[in-house]
Amino acid sequence: QVRLQESGPRLVKPSETLSLTCTVSGGSINSYHWSWIRQPPGKGLEWIGHIYRSGSTNYNPSLKSRVTISVDTSKNQFSLKLSSVTAADTAVYYCAGGPSLVPIDFWGQGPLVTVSS
Amino acid sequence: EVVLTQSPGTLSLSPGERATLSCRASQSDSSSSVAWYQQKPGQAPRLLIYAASSRAIGIPDRFSGSGSGTDFTLTISRLEPEDFAVYYCQQYGSSPTFGQGTKVEIK
Repeated sequence: QVRLQESGPRLVKPSETLSLTCTVSGGSINSYHWSWIRQPPGKGLEWIGHIYRSGSTNYNPSLKSRVTISVDTSKNQFSLKLSSVTAADTAVYYCAGGPSLVPIDFWGQGPLVTVSS
Repeated sequence: EVVLTQSPGTLSLSPGERATLSCRASQSDSSSSVAWYQQKPGQAPRLLIYAASSRAIGIPDRFSGSGSGTDFTLTISRLEPEDFAVYYCQQYGSSPTFGQGTKVEIK
């Protein structure tokens, strides 16, 4: 069974870069497509972007200028970087994935990342 | 950009009742379909339905999905206490955005 575990700072200062890593266990990272999804407190789910098995990426247009998603196959990990963060970026950040882009079969626990000075 | 609109925002029902949740896409294309997820407080979403009408592994048959084109429906035939949660639809395609969610609450 594939399991996902996010890691990274839970507190980020405004204007800095939010960085999260998702470690994949129970399966090969090369076998699936991977996504990042976030959820501001008390609000709905927002798709941030994804990286295909091929390595190509696609990002939410509203975040595209600030987002980078990458894969490190040697570590079975994929990562999210979101630059120039503000308080509006405070959210639970989920790493997710599956054999297809949709539906999403695997979800991480989703840490709350707070943007605050 | 395709926008998914879910209705109603909140559904107040009693256990044993039928729940009907709607998800409407702003436009249709060749990849038009949706997946449905259930989310409970403090938990990650759980996949219920994919390709509009196929139940995911382990999902009870009281959950069913239907629809095509721009209109999709999730039906819970008889609500169990554990079904009170928030439900999201997600569109297929290269920009897999979510609807804003429908909360099913106990009346």
